[in-house]
Amino acid sequence: GESVGLHLPTLSVQEGDNSIINCAYSNSASDYFIWYKQESGKGPQFIIDIRSNMDKRQGQRVTVLLNKTVKHLSLQIAATQPGDSAVYFCAEKPAGNNRKLIWGLGTSLAVNP
Amino acid sequence: GAVVSQHPSWVICKSGTSVKIECRSLDFQATTMFWYRQFPKQSLMLMATSNEGSKATYEQGVEKDKFLINHASLTLSTLTVTSAHPEDSSFYICSAIRPGGTDTQYFGPGTRLTVL
Repeated sequence: GESVGLHLPTLSVQEGDNSIINCAYSNSASDYFIWYKQESGKGPQFIIDIRSNMDKRQGQRVTVLLNKTVKHLSLQIAATQPGDSAVYFCAEKPAGNNRKLIWGLGTSLAVNP
Repeated sequence: GAVVSQHPSWVICKSGTSVKIECRSLDFQATTMFWYRQFPKQSLMLMATSNEGSKATYEQGVEKDKFLINHASLTLSTLTVTSAHPEDSSFYICSAIRPGGTDTQYFGPGTRLTVL
């Protein structure tokens, strides 16, 4: 069902600092994980992904860490900029042929100038 | 790239009317597309999986006769909200998967539906 009145967790950082956004995923059998960025009024934008056979992957200014032991995923953003302000969602894909994603609740990142 | 478009970007309609939303993959052919709805400050809620040339698979609790999905070509899926009511007001977003790659879903910009 849907949650009413749910408040997104908010992370507030200073411009130039590093940001770490965390996500606890639900299915130990998930084999693929994705981070998306969603700006207000827009669709989610792919940031970075990682497969379960890896524990770290780096992109441009972003790093994703995967800890399968505790089912934890994190997104690190280096030198956070005002344009990074958005809601960040983690998503997991359970192993198998079903291509549906399981979505996290999201974290709102606010970058203070 | 992997560009997905939606049309319209926003629509206002009267209660009882039907509204069609289009989702197009612009630079790739998508055998699978997804339709989501999203309420303010909430996560995405999957409504249905749209497969080209076959019937859509609806999630539990989503009325298939109210939310009609047609995936008639490899680049186009449509969602029709029939007999819309104010409680159907929401942000509707589609996504598509590029064939031959990972299971990454690429999203359209979303459609804001307001039912008066």
